[in-house]
Amino acid sequence: DIQMTQSPSSVSASVGDRVTITCRASQSISSWLAWYQQKPGKAPKLLIYAASILVSGVPSRFSGSGSGTDFTLTISSLQPEDFGNYFCQQANTFPLTFGGGTNVDI
Amino acid sequence: EVQLVESGGGLVQPGGSLRLSCAASGFTYSSSSMNWVRQAPGKGLEWIAYINSRSSMIDYADSVRGRFSISRDNAKDSLILQMTSLRAEDTALYYCVRDLSYYMDVWGKGTTVIVSS
Repeated sequence: DIQMTQSPSSVSASVGDRVTITCRASQSISSWLAWYQQKPGKAPKLLIYAASILVSGVPSRFSGSGSGTDFTLTISSLQPEDFGNYFCQQANTFPLTFGGGTNVDI
Repeated sequence: EVQLVESGGGLVQPGGSLRLSCAASGFTYSSSSMNWVRQAPGKGLEWIAYINSRSSMIDYADSVRGRFSISRDNAKDSLILQMTSLRAEDTALYYCVRDLSYYMDVWGKGTTVIVSS
């Protein structure tokens, strides 16, 4: 199975800060990577897929980059509504696997 | 509006069985592959099952293989997860999720399964 490792596990930042979350795959997954945001008590929401494609309606302050084994989710200017947990997921191989999550605390 | 609504969760004893359902609406269900994803209390996300639009490709996580069965009824726009031999570690919120080339683009609100004596 492909293991997905996220870091940091938690980040505390202020409004307007640039926040970067990384995700590392245990083997190459090309660009088969997604990022999700989950707020407390809610279902996850797809933000980015294919490593860098922003889902329609997602603010442009979110961006994704990377390929192979190393990926990054960047929030260019953190907003109050961006709090929550962020998960990466590899879509290259079954079983589909998620990272452990990063909690973003404003 | 694209919507997925899960049902069938509840409290079940270890070793018991439960059948989860998911009702889809607002999109062409028969053309969509589907997944079940679960989340244990306070934990991360775990993909557990996938089925393509024609039910010709099915896969499971090792943690549930042989105990859970995914199926669909395209005539009724519904997805099923039959769970047997349930264990305490199966306690979780179970999400029905639409598949977008193995990404998860539409999520239901989930149904809670608690396995306890």
